[in-house]
Amino acid sequence: EPEVTQTPSHQVTQMGQEVILRCVPISNHLYFYWYRQILGQKVEFLVSFYNNEISEKSEIFDDQFSVERPDGSNFTLKIRSTKLEDSAMYFCASSRRDPMSSYNEQFFGPGTRLTVL
Amino acid sequence: SQKIEQNSEALNIQEGKTATLTCNYTNYSPAYLQWYRQDPGRGPVFLLLIRENEKEKRKERLKVTFDTTLKQSLFHITASQPADSATYLCAFSGGYQKVTFGTGTKLQVIP
Repeated sequence: EPEVTQTPSHQVTQMGQEVILRCVPISNHLYFYWYRQILGQKVEFLVSFYNNEISEKSEIFDDQFSVERPDGSNFTLKIRSTKLEDSAMYFCASSRRDPMSSYNEQFFGPGTRLTVL
Repeated sequence: SQKIEQNSEALNIQEGKTATLTCNYTNYSPAYLQWYRQDPGRGPVFLLLIRENEKEKRKERLKVTFDTTLKQSLFHITASQPADSATYLCAFSGGYQKVTFGTGTKLQVIP
């Protein structure tokens, strides 16, 4: 069964460094998302991406964050200058576009645990 | 402000019994209410979706109800098994938009 994959599974970085988190969504999916979950807290939406542009973003997704779909398979989240409070689990998700349905479920990846020291 | 509230206390239940989890919300008019399962260190896994004009939805041992008057959803797992032990997340969305999650309720099924 196809699944969303994410690399790396764990990333440790120094405060102020740039990190890129990578995701490979399910191949026929057209909607892509990033979420994060700080330890012990709820899963929070960061950004959604469709048709090569951001369709929605949260207050968390400030100028330090960017997303890109550099080729037909990868979807990346970049944090330019990491802060201690960026330490969290980052989940990528994707969903397909079904013209017969107004909703399609989002499939989540296993996550990347980001630790900022 | 919009809130999705789930019981933060863990729910312990004997194997074979029905587990019932509650999700209450305020200042929301969700088009779609969903339930996800999350295991430790893993991403959420979609279980069921119910639309605002539906009262109940079933899938195998799972049942979801949606009461827009009470602003509440109930999630039931019948004949619970130890493998059902996980955190269950209530969530809202509208179409292909973001999913907004509650804090989740941890379910422990005791053999």
